Amino acid sequence: AQSVSQHNHHVILSEAASLELGCNYSYGGTVNLFWYVQYPGQHLQLLLKYFSGDPLVKGIKGFEAEFIKSKFSFNLRKPSVQWSDTAEYFCAVTHSGSARQLTFGSGTQLTVLP
Amino acid sequence: GAGVSQSPSNKVTEKGKDVELRCDPISGHTALYWYRQSLGQGLEFLIYFQGNSAPDKSGLPSDRFSAERTGGSVSTLTIQRTQQEDSAVYLCASSARDWNQPQHFGDGTRLSIL
Repeated sequence: AQSVSQHNHHVILSEAASLELGCNYSYGGTVNLFWYVQYPGQHLQLLLKYFSGDPLVKGIKGFEAEFIKSKFSFNLRKPSVQWSDTAEYFCAVTHSGSARQLTFGSGTQLTVLP
Repeated sequence: GAGVSQSPSNKVTEKGKDVELRCDPISGHTALYWYRQSLGQGLEFLIYFQGNSAPDKSGLPSDRFSAERTGGSVSTLTIQRTQQEDSAVYLCASSARDWNQPQHFGDGTRLSIL
C-alpha cells in the first residue's frame, strides 16, 4: 500500500531560521503532491501543490517545495520562519492508482520560538 | 458558502449511542470526502463521493459507519453504536474534481465518546 513518510515529528526553530521538512512517498506511478498546514484551532489549509511541470513549486506565506522524482521526495522549505508559522504540517499524496483520496503523512509539528 | 461547513463542531455522546455528522461542501464541488483525524492514527480516509457515482467506502473502519450524500450536495456521516475508539475529529473535504483539483477542508467535528 502506498505510504507517505514524514521523518520529523516535532521541529523547534528560532525565528529567522531556515526550515526544511522531509516528505517521502512510496508510490512509483503518477502522483499529485500536497502540503497542508493546520494552525492551532484552525482547519487544514493548502500550502502548495504539485501536479506537473516545474518541480519547484511556490506556495503561500513564502513556502516552497521541490519534487524530486528519483528520490520520491517532496520536501517543504522556507528560508526564514516566523513565530506565526507555528503549526502542524502534513504532506499528502494522491496517485493515479487511487486518484480520489489523499494519503497523509503523520504530520510534523513545527514550533517557532520568538 | 465560502468554505466547507461542518456541524456540529463538537459532539459528546455516550458509548452505544448513534451520531450523525453533517457536511455542506463548497457550492459547485462535485467530489466530497470524509476523513478522520485521531491520535495515533493520523489522518485517515473514510469515504468518497463523486457526483452520482457509487461512493468509495473502502476507508470505513467497520459496518457501524455509513454515509450518504443527498442531491449531490450535503453529506451525512452516521456512526451507530459508538465506541470509545470512535473518538476523533471527523473532517470533510470537497473538490471541484477529484484527480486534478486540491481538496478544501472544513473545520471538522470533534467527537468524544464517554
